[in-house]
Amino acid sequence: GAGVSQSPSNKVTEKGKDVELRCDPISGHTALYWYRQSLGQGLEFLIYFQGNSAPDKSGLPSDRFSAERTGGSVSTLTIQRTQQEDSAVYLCASSLQGGYTEAFFGQGTRLTVV
Amino acid sequence: GIQVEQSPPDLILQEGANSTLRCNFSDSVNNLQWFHQNPWGQLINLFYIPSGTKQNGRLSATTVATERYSLLYISSSQTTDSGVYFCAGPLKTSYDKVIFGPGTSLSVIP
Repeated sequence: GAGVSQSPSNKVTEKGKDVELRCDPISGHTALYWYRQSLGQGLEFLIYFQGNSAPDKSGLPSDRFSAERTGGSVSTLTIQRTQQEDSAVYLCASSLQGGYTEAFFGQGTRLTVV
Repeated sequence: GIQVEQSPPDLILQEGANSTLRCNFSDSVNNLQWFHQNPWGQLINLFYIPSGTKQNGRLSATTVATERYSLLYISSSQTTDSGVYFCAGPLKTSYDKVIFGPGTSLSVIP
């Protein structure tokens, strides 16, 4: 696609439910990143994909968080048993070949856990 | 791990004023980007600038990779420049892990 697309734009969920956030990167970009931004805070690195592999999962906050990427394209970030502290904006970015190349961001998914 | 510092953390400008934002890295970076996060949360690419100087309209950026810093210049500021400015770069130990500085929050008042 022309840009990085994320869905949904907004998600309100009840505490304890599972949620899936989707990221569709720019066509041809092999690298994909997930970040989390809490209100008024900076960007917290979650996970990075090169192709379908995730060489660095160190940023995932707990084992309730997981992510996958299929076909070297779309990625899904899943949060199980959501907690109120998971409320944040989840941002996805892609780049042509990883850290040496320019990254572009989607508009984010605003997750609210009530 | 690598640390990224940005200064100042907050800045208020009168419309028309100039400003300089700074980004310091604790270790060498081979790549650096500047982003503007507008009040609606969208991250907008400003510069991809591993080294040297680039200009785009009223904005310009300079990166001195050997000294581990980058500067973002905003001239003749406008209210639409308000938002948070982030610098970001990859870790030396893991070149594909791009980390962000804490940001500079800019408010331009009429």
